[in-house]
Amino acid sequence: DAGVIQSPRHEVTEMGQEVTLRCKPISGHDYLFWYRQTMMRGLELLIYFNNNVPIDDSGMPEDRFSAKMPNASFSTLKIQPSEPRDSAVYFCASTLGLGDTGELFFGEGSRLTVL
Amino acid sequence: AQSVAQPEDQVNVAEGNPLTVKCTYSVSGNPYLFWYVQYPNRGLQFLLKYITGDNLVKGSYGFEAEFNKSQTSFHLKKPSALVSDSALYFCAVRDSGAGTALIFGKGTTLSVSS
Repeated sequence: DAGVIQSPRHEVTEMGQEVTLRCKPISGHDYLFWYRQTMMRGLELLIYFNNNVPIDDSGMPEDRFSAKMPNASFSTLKIQPSEPRDSAVYFCASTLGLGDTGELFFGEGSRLTVL
Repeated sequence: AQSVAQPEDQVNVAEGNPLTVKCTYSVSGNPYLFWYVQYPNRGLQFLLKYITGDNLVKGSYGFEAEFNKSQTSFHLKKPSALVSDSALYFCAVRDSGAGTALIFGKGTTLSVSS
């Protein structure tokens, strides 16, 4: 398996623009997570899905952020409009069941810079 | 609510010396505990986990961690550090009864000098 695939790896945009980050989880995994990493706040959970259904979106910073999972093999995280404070590395991760393992498989991340 | 604390932003050790990266946690129920490592410009990689059983857990690359329930700690250790161990290390916890996602600490940068 190719692992969790994220795109783009790097995105530079201007304040006010719409940003869409994409994730393809590992085939067969039924949980998908979006995390944000910054120097100040470390790794924060934004939202996670189970079987394509959002379970907990309490970490989504504000209404400018939205996430969807239209099918088992694809998820998007959208920021509209983007702001400089959204600059961070956004990680997608997937796993099979939360059961007694919970081991997450991470993508390489999408580094977002908002000017 | 569950939480994880990594009290050291950075740990510096000389190659060949033992290393310890500290982690304490807080959960309502029984904890599932994890360590992940992140190399520059890469995603996080799983190192080891404690679910139940023996308090000393062995993982990848010679790392181990000791679960201490009374001290609510899960420190990462390695008997002899390598320069290639230099990376960012994250401790994570999940409450076994809550069915929630992993919560990560802020990370500790390990620097091993030759």
